[in-house]
Amino acid sequence: GAVVSQHPSRVICKSGTSVKIECRSLDFQATTMFWYRQFPKQSLMLMATSNEGSKATYEQGVEKDKFLINHASLTLSTLTVTSAHPEDSSFYICSARESGFGGDEQFFGPGTRLTVL
Amino acid sequence: SQKIEQNSEALNIQEGKTATLTCNYTNYSPAYLQWYRQDPGRGPVFLLLIRENEKEKRKERLKVTFDTTLKQSLFHITASQPADSATYLCALRMDSSYKLIFGSGTRLLVRP
Repeated sequence: GAVVSQHPSRVICKSGTSVKIECRSLDFQATTMFWYRQFPKQSLMLMATSNEGSKATYEQGVEKDKFLINHASLTLSTLTVTSAHPEDSSFYICSARESGFGGDEQFFGPGTRLTVL
Repeated sequence: SQKIEQNSEALNIQEGKTATLTCNYTNYSPAYLQWYRQDPGRGPVFLLLIRENEKEKRKERLKVTFDTTLKQSLFHITASQPADSATYLCALRMDSSYKLIFGSGTRLLVRP
């Protein structure tokens, strides 16, 4: 089956630094990837839709200048949390849908646990 | 306001019994409803999708129903096993954009 990886799986950083999270589709091409954030015991909240070769579409309330998304190829999207603060500590999860495939399934990555001190 | 509600309390059942989880929503008109399994510290894993014009969908020990009048989906696991213990999330998809809106999930515990 289709596999999505994320790197790193865990990251701890100091307040004010920037952190980059990678999302890769390993055995398929993904025109569209999605970035979610999940706080403890809460649901996944969609942050943005990442489109290969174009600007990301952000959900209401998500600061595009704080959460920079780059989808430079059909297998890689990156999320950069800029000037991270403790309230940005969360579980970040990406998902990808296979390009050109009429199926409905999205494949999720294993998530990245971000802790900002 | 728009809401997706899943039982916040854990469902605790005996191995071999059928687990039934509920997903209710208000002020949405989803074209699709999906169920996912999530284990602690991991991303969700797709289980089943049901379309608005479908009443029921089955896959092995899993069954999903979708009642657009009641605005409710039921997710059943028959002959439950301890390995089925996880959090189960329902997610609504409104249209062809593939954006998903998730419920907060229900934790299932299957006792041996």
